[in-house]
Amino acid sequence: DTGVSQNPRHKITKRGQNVTFRCDPISEHNRLYWYRQTLGQGPEFLTYFQNEAQLEKSRLLSDRFSAERPKGSFSTLEIQRTEQGDSAMYLCASSLSLGASGNTIYFGEGSWLTVV
Amino acid sequence: GQNIDQPTEMTATEGAIVQINCTYQTSGFNGLFWYQQHAGEAPTFLSYNVLDGLEEKGRFSSFLSRSKGYSYLLLKELQMKDSASYLCAVRTTDSWGKLQFGAGTQVVVTP
Repeated sequence: DTGVSQNPRHKITKRGQNVTFRCDPISEHNRLYWYRQTLGQGPEFLTYFQNEAQLEKSRLLSDRFSAERPKGSFSTLEIQRTEQGDSAMYLCASSLSLGASGNTIYFGEGSWLTVV
Repeated sequence: GQNIDQPTEMTATEGAIVQINCTYQTSGFNGLFWYQQHAGEAPTFLSYNVLDGLEEKGRFSSFLSRSKGYSYLLLKELQMKDSASYLCAVRTTDSWGKLQFGAGTQVVVTP
């Protein structure tokens, strides 16, 4: 079990540039989640997938944000035309969807984004 | 939306017990989670409660009262490595995929 893997771990970008983060979930997990966390706050939900279907998107996810999970395995989160307010840690998580196991959601170590 | 409140910071001595309270206001309650997060690291799952009562797991226990919208996480026999942020999160029936997190309680364990 290699856990949830995210890359890059750190990204510094200029305002207006596009960035993409990748998440590889735990291999048998069919649910994948994206959250955003800023300093001193808890994670904020952005979106989640069950297999390749994106089942929910937060109102926080503006049209500059897009997430995909094309084959139901890894996922990408793209932020277009970055703004300084996008600076945060972007967390990916995964879980099973059935029974008690679905209540254990495993987080990756996050991708830190700094927009300058 | 849900309001989730927990204290900002708590300090306790190594070997002692600390209780972190979490209150929430929500409709369609569908589970309460506790996570531990060390600085710069991923949140780590600690516990899940959906029915009233106490769940014990080693040095950590979590309690839930749905009628009061209240939970606590009890950390016993504190160790220095328990210094971390502890996050309370609630799930509701309108979304199986979303956890609503509190801001976290920073626990500082002193020698």
